[in-house]
Amino acid sequence: EIVLTQSPGTLSVSPGERATLSCRASQSISSTYLAWYQQGPGQAPRLLIHGSSSRATGVPDRFTGRGSGTDFTLNINGLEPEDSAVYYCQHYGDSRWTFGQGTKVEVK
Amino acid sequence: QLQLQESGPGRVWPSETLHLTCSVSGGSFSSSYYWGWVRQAPGEGLEWLGSIHYAGYTYYNPSLKGRVSISMDPSKNQFSLQLTSVTAADTAVYYCARPETDGNGYLFGYFDPWGRGTLVVVSS
Repeated sequence: EIVLTQSPGTLSVSPGERATLSCRASQSISSTYLAWYQQGPGQAPRLLIHGSSSRATGVPDRFTGRGSGTDFTLNINGLEPEDSAVYYCQHYGDSRWTFGQGTKVEVK
Repeated sequence: QLQLQESGPGRVWPSETLHLTCSVSGGSFSSSYYWGWVRQAPGEGLEWLGSIHYAGYTYYNPSLKGRVSISMDPSKNQFSLQLTSVTAADTAVYYCARPETDGNGYLFGYFDPWGRGTLVVVSS
């Protein structure tokens, strides 16, 4: 069973700064099956990145995903107040879907 | 644009069965290969519950220990979730979502789109 561990738990940043979110898999996974989601308060998750680095439709290029093997990263450049949310990584493999525990980003 | 909408009771008694339905609109139900359910307990993260393939194959989170089942009714553009023997720990917002595939049904595995979610409280 793949376990995804996200860090940090919470990240407080100022507007305009850059945030780096980490997602570490318990064993090597294919980058094809690694996705990132953004969940604002009281909202459903929104797909940001799939295939480790492909932005979903309508996602600003401030959001960049990268990584391979066990280490994956979501970078958010030029943070804006509306980027305040919880960010989840997610993996699919062997007919199972797994989520990381999430990183809360506070922009203030 | 494909849209998903969850429906069902907002409260379920302990030990009873939770039943939710996801209605699909804005696109062809049959053109999607997989459908799925994810939940989120208050203040917690996302938990995959299960997925169903259009041919009827089902995949469930082992942590639910056989309490979960998913079915679908293409004639109604709907798929459903049943969770038996619920306890307070099953109180959560339940989301339906579509696991994305390519045109040949090859799973990419990410969920898009999602429903808005429906809160289910297990309480007497």
